[in-house]
Amino acid sequence: SQQGEEDPQALSIQEGENATMNCSYKTSINNLQWYRQNSGRGLVHLILIRSNEREKHSGRLRVTLDTSKKSSSLLITASRAADTASYFCATVSPNAGGTSYGKLTFGQGTILTVHP
Amino acid sequence: EPEVTQTPSHQVTQMGQEVILRCVPISNHLYFYWYRQILGQKVEFLVSFYNNEISEKSEIFDDQFSVERPDGSNFTLKIRSTKLEDSAMYFCASRGTRGNNQPQHFGDGTRLSIL
Repeated sequence: SQQGEEDPQALSIQEGENATMNCSYKTSINNLQWYRQNSGRGLVHLILIRSNEREKHSGRLRVTLDTSKKSSSLLITASRAADTASYFCATVSPNAGGTSYGKLTFGQGTILTVHP
Repeated sequence: EPEVTQTPSHQVTQMGQEVILRCVPISNHLYFYWYRQILGQKVEFLVSFYNNEISEKSEIFDDQFSVERPDGSNFTLKIRSTKLEDSAMYFCASRGTRGNNQPQHFGDGTRLSIL
């Protein structure tokens, strides 16, 4: 089974528009995180939402979490050309023993292109 | 802002050769990780390391792989006998506190090409 699946796979918008990306997962989680990856670079952490939180904001980012549906969304408002990147959700879940050392399980990602 | 640094940025190696990928995590961090990303695929967890030992590893992390923190600053991933399918981007990450609700900080990766 796949943990952390995003949709859409690719999203193309104009500067100034909002971009919404969705993520679904299958197991119980401690938290869900969103990362950005510019081409050829590492992953940059954007925002973390804990399993007991429903919504979180950071600047132009808004993340929601629905644990009953095992889904999350990332909204980027007033997008800029510099937001062009791949966006990944990643979950941290307890292991079989109930502990966790923070292993991230990533989705396939959404490629966002923002046209100036 | 402190960064995770990885060297080399690109490594080309003949199949069957040993390769060592190097990482310098953020200095006061306690948890260390290796991930890999095969071209066009998702980022996959390899191993986590805490308190000088492996805390968790994936099925990918077989006997050909090993990790070491030899001197308190470097964190290395060794692949003993590389295979074509080991070609990927390898990312190192570190995390600071004991709690899981903290982000991981990633390096820019090493692109490993096996010929």
